[in-house]
Order: sequence, then structure tokens, then C-alpha cells
Amino acid sequence: DTGVSQNPRHKITKRGQNVTFRCDPISEHNRLYWYRQTLGQGPEFLTYFQNEAQLEKSRLLSDRFSAERPKGSFSTLEIQRTEQGDSAMYLCASSAERGALSNEQFFGPGTRLTVL
Amino acid sequence: AQTVTQSQPEMSVQEAETVTLSCTYDTSESDYYLFWYKQPPSRQMILVIRQEAYKQQNATENRFSVNFQKAAKSFSLKISDSQLGDAAMYFCAYRVYNFNKFYFGSGTKLNVKP
Repeated sequence: DTGVSQNPRHKITKRGQNVTFRCDPISEHNRLYWYRQTLGQGPEFLTYFQNEAQLEKSRLLSDRFSAERPKGSFSTLEIQRTEQGDSAMYLCASSAERGALSNEQFFGPGTRLTVL
Repeated sequence: AQTVTQSQPEMSVQEAETVTLSCTYDTSESDYYLFWYKQPPSRQMILVIRQEAYKQQNATENRFSVNFQKAAKSFSLKISDSQLGDAAMYFCAYRVYNFNKFYFGSGTKLNVKP
């Protein structure tokens, strides 16, 4: 499977716990994005990487959120001291920098987080 | 501020008929891209169709076509010969040229009746 993959697909945690999600983009894509999607809403941009550099962060990304892409390949999104309001689907997407498909984002299946 | 508005939370269409989903956006930019994404239940989001703002010709992809009205900042999606597999959430999205941040609308749930 050469698409974007995300793990885990589902995560249930208790309020106050830390969680970490992983995203593996399409191998030749150097751009990687994280989004949050709540029920009945469209994806909201969280952050964007080009290779290993985090070039943009949304104001939605509070201090409890941190994202990394250490080698310019996979990325992790960590949420510390989770709150019930963090419950959402976390989507990862990747895109190529150049070429005919550089405008297209390919999405992963998402990680659904439930904070009890 | 960049915003994307989808005013139809839910729509229904009879199989084989045509349906149009609406999208408006607000921007002060002149160069940008517009997209329609499809998100089937419990499945990942996929691109349906893309439009470059500098192109006057409306994009088409098989049964999917758009009506792009740049002056009105309107970008509607027409689905012809609707199929049961078209049932999904449809999201309109916008991206400024040379920037990488995408803005999505709140989505329209499309039901297809057999």
C-alpha cells in the first residue's frame, strides 16, 4: 500500500494522559500536514512540514500539542495532558513539492481520539 | 480572512439524476486553487476535482464538473448521473497559490436514493 498511513486508527484515553499519533506519508512526498476534524465539520489546519522543517502552525495548536518530523519522512503528533475537547479525528495528508500533483493533498484514514 | 462556506449541510438526490453542491469563499487573493474532496463514511478523503483560479474554463472529471464564478467567489460541484457510491460528505477547499495552508468548508452530506 503506497498511500498515507496513520497509527493508531483509534485511541481512547483518560483526561490528563499524553497521546502520540504517527503518520507515514507517501514516500516521495516532502510536504506533510496535520488537520483536526470534529463531528460535522471540515478539517481544520494544525501544522505543515516541508521535509523536516515545521513551516507553519495554527493558533489551534496550543502548547500541549507538538509535532515532529525528524528525518523528513514520518511524523508524530503528541498531545500532552489531554482534555475532553481534544476528542476529534486527527488527519494527516501529504503532497509533492513539484509536478502535476503538487496541488493535491493525499489524506490518510485518520486517528480518532476519544478523551474520557 | 480566508473562509469557505458550504450552506447546504445535507442534500439528497435520486440515483441517475443530477445534483449541485454549493460553495462560496472569501479571499482578497487573485491566484488560488479550489478543490472538492469526497469523504465516504469511515473512509479517507479523496480529491474529486480541482480548479485553478486563473483558468476561465470550468474543470470536469467524468461525471463531476464545476461552475466557477470568480467574481462571485462561487465554486459549485455538479454530479451527473448520480450513483449510490457517490453518497458521502463533500468538502469544498481553498488554497492560495504559493502557500500550503488549505481551508475547508463544513461539508455537505450527500444522500443518494435508489
